[in-house]
Amino acid sequence: NAGVTQTPKFQVLKTGQSMTLQCAQDMNHEYMSWYRQDPGMGLRLIHYSVGAGITDQGEVPNGYNVSRSTTEDFPLRLLSAAPSQTSVYFCASSFGQAREKLFFGSGTQLSVL
Amino acid sequence: GQQVMQIPQYQHVQEGEDFTTYCNSSTTLSNIQWYKQRPGGHPVFLIQLVKSGEVKKQKRLTFQFGEAKKNSSLHITATQTTDVGTYFCAGRTGGYQKVTFGIGTKLQVIP
Repeated sequence: NAGVTQTPKFQVLKTGQSMTLQCAQDMNHEYMSWYRQDPGMGLRLIHYSVGAGITDQGEVPNGYNVSRSTTEDFPLRLLSAAPSQTSVYFCASSFGQAREKLFFGSGTQLSVL
Repeated sequence: GQQVMQIPQYQHVQEGEDFTTYCNSSTTLSNIQWYKQRPGGHPVFLIQLVKSGEVKKQKRLTFQFGEAKKNSSLHITATQTTDVGTYFCAGRTGGYQKVTFGIGTKLQVIP
């Protein structure tokens, strides 16, 4: 099993550009989520999904879209990148919903100029 | 909304000294998890606590969940350089799908 795979590992965008961060897991996990990590802010939840076709907002959803068309994939879309979205992004998944441990991807370091 | 406070934010210790990080929640938690993130890496699950007053040990690491299920601690005995990293607590409320992380405690161990 590859676990949770995130691509790309690094990305530089200009303000206003759009892009999609990819996340895929091969563990048949129902629950998938996106976090951003900023210095002094810990890990903040952007969006999450409890199964294919179901998504919901986390703490900091503005400027981001998600969809869950399959169990395996949970892409994060930046519609119009802003410098405030410069961060490290982590995708995480778990078997079930409320009680299971999270498996994290290796992260995407995004810089918006 | 649910908040999880974690202190201290940074801690430097001499190798061999003990280390403790604390988490406090504004609401009662259904469970709390602890993760470790090595420099440049991603968070890795350490342990989960579910019961009131629960204590679990992993070698030199001791994890506690408070009686009211609103606070938790991680204690490392006799730190080693391999303990370097950021330790996060993460709490969930019952039936709630959002996992709220503390800001983390960054541990530096001086050899």
